[in-house]
Amino acid sequence: NAGVTQTPKFRVLKTGQSMTLLCAQDMNHEYMYWYRQDPGMGLRLIHYSVGEGTTAKGEVPDGYNVSRLKKQNFLLGLESAAPSQTSVYFCASRTGTAPFTGELFFGEGSRLTVL
Amino acid sequence: TQLLEQSPQFLSIQEGENLTVYCNSSSVFSSLQWYRQEPGEGPVLLVTVVTGGEVKKLKRLTFQFGDARKDSSLHITAAQTGDTGLYLCAPGVATDSWGKFQFGAGTQVVVTP
Repeated sequence: NAGVTQTPKFRVLKTGQSMTLLCAQDMNHEYMYWYRQDPGMGLRLIHYSVGEGTTAKGEVPDGYNVSRLKKQNFLLGLESAAPSQTSVYFCASRTGTAPFTGELFFGEGSRLTVL
Repeated sequence: TQLLEQSPQFLSIQEGENLTVYCNSSSVFSSLQWYRQEPGEGPVLLVTVVTGGEVKKLKRLTFQFGDARKDSSLHITAAQTGDTGLYLCAPGVATDSWGKFQFGAGTQVVVTP
């Protein structure tokens, strides 16, 4: 069972470069999320999506864009990477049919370093 | 500002000891979830508590939901090195109509042999 798959798992960028992180889920979940995790900061929500073509801003959206063209994929883009975006990025998904007890399923994370 | 405040931020104990971590808020929630994140992995759901005053047990882990549904605690009895990880709490429901889902900052637990 694949669950939630993130690619790439590791990436090193130079300041100003752009890149896209891909998240794919095979559970037919409606909701998808992108978080970043920094030491001592827990998980901070970047953007999220309630379904195909619909996205919303989280706590720390600046410097990131997202797209959800297909239900199973949620892309996180960095147009001009900055060292402050060095972090571990996690994607998660959940079903929309049980909003009160819905479990979030996470990918393994993508470690991004911006030099 | 954090929707949920977790304490302590960091806890280091030896195997066999007990520990308790807390998740507090000024808001009332219909349910709360606890996740554990092991090093190098994504968080995994441990439990959802849904009723005020509810106590749930998962082997050596005991979860309690406050009577007023504003706080929760996680107690680990006789901790093992496998309990090492980041413990995160989150509201059990989305906090807006778009499905927003946010976590507390977490408690890092380190259990040493």
